Amino acid sequence: EAQVTQNPRYLITVTGKKLTVTCSQNMNHEYMSWYRQDPGLGLRQIYYSMNVEVTDKGDVPEGYKVSRKEKRNFPLILESPSPNQTSLYFCASSLWPRVSDEQFFGPGTRLTVL
Amino acid sequence: AQKVTQAQTEISVVEKEDVTLDCVYETRDTTYYLFWYKQPPSGELVFLIRRNSFDEQNEISGRYSWNFQKSTSSFNFTITASQVVDSAVYFCARSGGFKTIFGAGTRLFVKA
Repeated sequence: EAQVTQNPRYLITVTGKKLTVTCSQNMNHEYMSWYRQDPGLGLRQIYYSMNVEVTDKGDVPEGYKVSRKEKRNFPLILESPSPNQTSLYFCASSLWPRVSDEQFFGPGTRLTVL
Repeated sequence: AQKVTQAQTEISVVEKEDVTLDCVYETRDTTYYLFWYKQPPSGELVFLIRRNSFDEQNEISGRYSWNFQKSTSSFNFTITASQVVDSAVYFCARSGGFKTIFGAGTRLFVKA
């Protein structure tokens, strides 16, 4: 089944404790991206990747890191999480490097930072 | 920043009513793409439609229709004869390359 998977689905952590949210797609998509969803703000793009080893900042990259060592995986790293990073996170992928087609979204990861 | 504005935060209708969700975008790009996504209460994001900036034809898919007007930078979404299953948050989005900008979303309640 074609899909984007994210793990974990739920995570409660404490300020400053490094964490990684994994994202994997099995559709051989070129483009992958991370978004955060907050009430009243919609989805905001954190980072995106057009291809292996090519990443760039979205609109809200502060406090996050990403890497794209393999085409299928695009982990999101929070090296020192803070309470303002409490949010619902979505990973997405799209066929082409430029977003001209629909994005396929993972199920979301709800992160709480205490 | 090039914004996408969904001015309606919440809309409540009774089943079988028609409802239109508004979306206004800003862009400096000549080529861009517009999207609508649905987020039902279960939380997943579901793609509904994509439009490119050169195709202003309106589109109808069952009870759903979309009106793209480049002159007013709008891409509105109408649900005809709404049903309870249409209750969800709907997001409009624009991409002009590698970045995607989403609107804040419109929460639609359809009451039986």
